[in-house]
Amino acid sequence: KQEVTQIPAALSVPEGENLVLNCSFTDSAIYNLQWFRQDPGKGLTSLLLIQSSQREQTSGRLNASLDKSSGRSTLYIAASQPGDSATYLCAVGNTGFQKLVFGTGTRLLVSP
Amino acid sequence: NAGVTQTPKFQVLKTGQSMTLQCAQDMNHNSMYWYRQDPGMGLRLIYYSASEGTTDKGEVPNGYNVSRLNKREFSLRLESAAPSQTSVYFCASSWERNEQFFGPGTRLTVL
Repeated sequence: KQEVTQIPAALSVPEGENLVLNCSFTDSAIYNLQWFRQDPGKGLTSLLLIQSSQREQTSGRLNASLDKSSGRSTLYIAASQPGDSATYLCAVGNTGFQKLVFGTGTRLLVSP
Repeated sequence: NAGVTQTPKFQVLKTGQSMTLQCAQDMNHNSMYWYRQDPGMGLRLIYYSASEGTTDKGEVPNGYNVSRLNKREFSLRLESAAPSQTSVYFCASSWERNEQFFGPGTRLTVL
């Protein structure tokens, strides 16, 4: 059974710092991996999707990497801003299954 | 494009009452999903529909039924609500197994 872990559960940084959020998964037979952002009381916003054949994806100040063999993905946020404060969720899509398995998220606070 | 829409946004039920959560998408996606989100548990898949006319159980299907009404709409029904079904419910859609897009959620409390 696929299990997805995100560490740390919470992170507080001053504005302008570059930071890395971690996601690990137990079964390397994945189809894709998706990073989401969730603001309090809101739905999920898709940030980046990495297919199993890819090593990384970039969107603006965000860069996500994937290392299937080690069961890890990282989300790199450059030059963090207070508007980046939210919970970041990692979700893994397994081969052969039409579903995403979610981690419990990292709650990020960026202080001005 | 409205994306994925859900109704209602909030609902309070008494134990034993029934209700249907509605979901619609305008992105011409073929796959649709229902998740629930509980504190400390993350999001868990309840049911999904890979294409119009098909539905399959996810991780936590007990106490729920679904209907894929057409390509756009996918509803979730609670026949006899229980306090354990207090949660935030999210609908999502995707084209095949690609990027999933989520609705704003329905916050359900069962007393």
